[in-house]
Amino acid sequence: AQSVTQLGSHVSVSEGALVLLRCNYSSSVPPYLFWYVQYPNQGLQLLLKYTTGATLVKGINGFEAEFKKSETSFHLTKPSAHMSDAAEYFCAVSEQAAGNKLTFGGGTRVLVKP
Amino acid sequence: DAEITQSPRHKITETGRQVTLACHQTWNHNNMFWYRQDLGHGLRLIHYSYGVHDTNKGEVSDGYSVSRSNTEDLPLTLESAASSQTSVYFCASTTSGVPTNEQFFGPGTRLTVL
Repeated sequence: AQSVTQLGSHVSVSEGALVLLRCNYSSSVPPYLFWYVQYPNQGLQLLLKYTTGATLVKGINGFEAEFKKSETSFHLTKPSAHMSDAAEYFCAVSEQAAGNKLTFGGGTRVLVKP
Repeated sequence: DAEITQSPRHKITETGRQVTLACHQTWNHNNMFWYRQDLGHGLRLIHYSYGVHDTNKGEVSDGYSVSRSNTEDLPLTLESAASSQTSVYFCASTTSGVPTNEQFFGPGTRLTVL
């Protein structure tokens, strides 16, 4: 069975500082990996995804993530935080055999300090 | 523009009552999903459907049911609401057959069971 672990339920960063959100997964087959963002009182929207090919994936709003198979990780980064990045971020995994079903991590809430 | 909507956005009910949450999408997606979001647990899958008249149980399906009579709608019913079902509920949809496709999420329904 798939599982996703996000290290740190809350992260606080200063505006302009690096944002690093950690995600580790377990999967018996090569997974498809996603990062979603949830702004207050809204649904989730896709930031980026890894399917196959290049392991460094670029997404919207300056975010990127790197798939590391040996570490079973898919950490999300942004070089310089902006106040608008304050939100909750979810890592998710799906497997081809599971159709489109997603398994989510517990989420990481990001606070950006001025 | 195509969209996915949920209603009501907020609902307060009493223990033991039957409650139905609506989900409507105009993407013409075959696959639809219901999740609940609870602090520390991320999103957990309740039920899902891969097409008309198809329904499947997810990770936390006890006490919930769904029906799919057309492509656009997947209502979620709580047969006899319990306080443990106080949560935020999200509906999502995606195209079928391609597990790498992103899911599109509705804005959520905040349900309180007193």
